[in-house]
Amino acid sequence: SAVISQKPSRDICQRGTSLTIQCQVDSQVTMMFWYRQQPGQSLTLIATANQGSEATYESGFVIDKFPISRPNLTFSTLTVSNMSPEDSSIYLCSVEEGTRADTQYFGPGTRLTVL
Amino acid sequence: GENVEQHPSTLSVQEGDSAVIKCTYSDSASNYFPWYKQELGKRPQLIIDIRSNVGEKKDQRIAVTLNKTAKHFSLHITETQPEDSAVYFCAAIGNSGYSTLTFGKGTMLLVSP
Repeated sequence: SAVISQKPSRDICQRGTSLTIQCQVDSQVTMMFWYRQQPGQSLTLIATANQGSEATYESGFVIDKFPISRPNLTFSTLTVSNMSPEDSSIYLCSVEEGTRADTQYFGPGTRLTVL
Repeated sequence: GENVEQHPSTLSVQEGDSAVIKCTYSDSASNYFPWYKQELGKRPQLIIDIRSNVGEKKDQRIAVTLNKTAKHFSLHITETQPEDSAVYFCAAIGNSGYSTLTFGKGTMLLVSP
């Protein structure tokens, strides 16, 4: 499967600030996704990052709060804007392997704590 | 949209016993059902998946069964080992387009030596 990395691995931020999380894949992939995993909870899809077009957001998530970029087929960023303590979560990117439709593999995650 | 229910939320077994985790889904059009294992502080790892054109799939000690009529699927782990201890998530493809996965709430499996 593709090798997926995320930066930063963790961060502690002050409320009201923004953090940009990077996701890098070692091969070209069509589909990239961003998930949030709150402490002790399941994974919730934030958005699908589309190369060359705007991201597709799930219900409850908006572009102003979670702007996403997808400049090419190996890279994407998620920004968490105007953070509050409720944004403290693990943020994970995932990619869909081109050889097996629908199959997703996850990056290592970014653990965000907002004070 | 898709809704996935997962039971039980916690499961404790003795080493060597079998463990079964069950999930139900709401969207009859869903056709892909993966299972992920997440160890503490680690990323979710795909351990097995099944598509709607088959009823069962096995990989060594792990098997998944699918009942499309009843809209439920189950993960079976035989001969459990302490290293199987983790949180297991089931998921199903939703209907919002692309390959959007909807996850169950997870099952914490504890295997005691």
